[in-house]
Amino acid sequence: QSVLTQPPSMSAAPGQKVTISCSGGTSNIGHNYVSWYQHLPGTAPKLLIYENNRRPSGIPDRFSGSKSGTSATLGITGLQTGDEADYYCATWDTSLSAGVFGGGTKLTVL
Amino acid sequence: QVQLVESGGGVVQAGRSLRLSCAASGFTFSDYSMHWVRQAPGKGLEWVTFISYNENSGLYADSVKGRFSISRDISKNTVYLQMNSLTVEDTAVYYCAKDQVKWVTRGVYAFDLWGQGTVVTVST
Repeated sequence: QSVLTQPPSMSAAPGQKVTISCSGGTSNIGHNYVSWYQHLPGTAPKLLIYENNRRPSGIPDRFSGSKSGTSATLGITGLQTGDEADYYCATWDTSLSAGVFGGGTKLTVL
Repeated sequence: QVQLVESGGGVVQAGRSLRLSCAASGFTFSDYSMHWVRQAPGKGLEWVTFISYNENSGLYADSVKGRFSISRDISKNTVYLQMNSLTVEDTAVYYCAKDQVKWVTRGVYAFDLWGQGTVVTVST
């Protein structure tokens, strides 16, 4: 059972938009930055969003992040088949003194 | 070239020990905290441990506390994960990851650089 809750799977058609939610509590999302990662099987996870809504260089603006209270959201517009992957939110939990990840969301683009 | 390269994975019997290494290059290793993250078969990512940039603090997930130990050698630009009393639940791909922010003594800001991972299989 993950500290952060994500939907296990989502699907959308190419060109559409999807939003992936990440729900936590005051000790984690409520008081710390959220980051998002894309993970393809057999590869290293890739940072998509940091500090809730900032994109590293090289990440297209089709990817966006937001945070409100104890929840965060990753948005992906103009879906491409190459966006099929697992997506994870992460943050620090001050009460646990531990890093925490969401359970991951498997995105299917069909 | 900015990269992290893990090594040391393998097959080990339950109850035994294993030490993983992660060699860093292309950035000022001594400025950044480092983490280990793992992914068990069919499961999601799990944060395992953190060591501060100045080696003054190490923090652990409850699942490994008392069994795993993180350390770093600045002279070798390498971070280590000593894993003792291994159980089948420790079977996973282990990734080392760099924190994005300099001089972090506690916490996670973001993992901006990851290694390719090393596979640890614990057999009964």
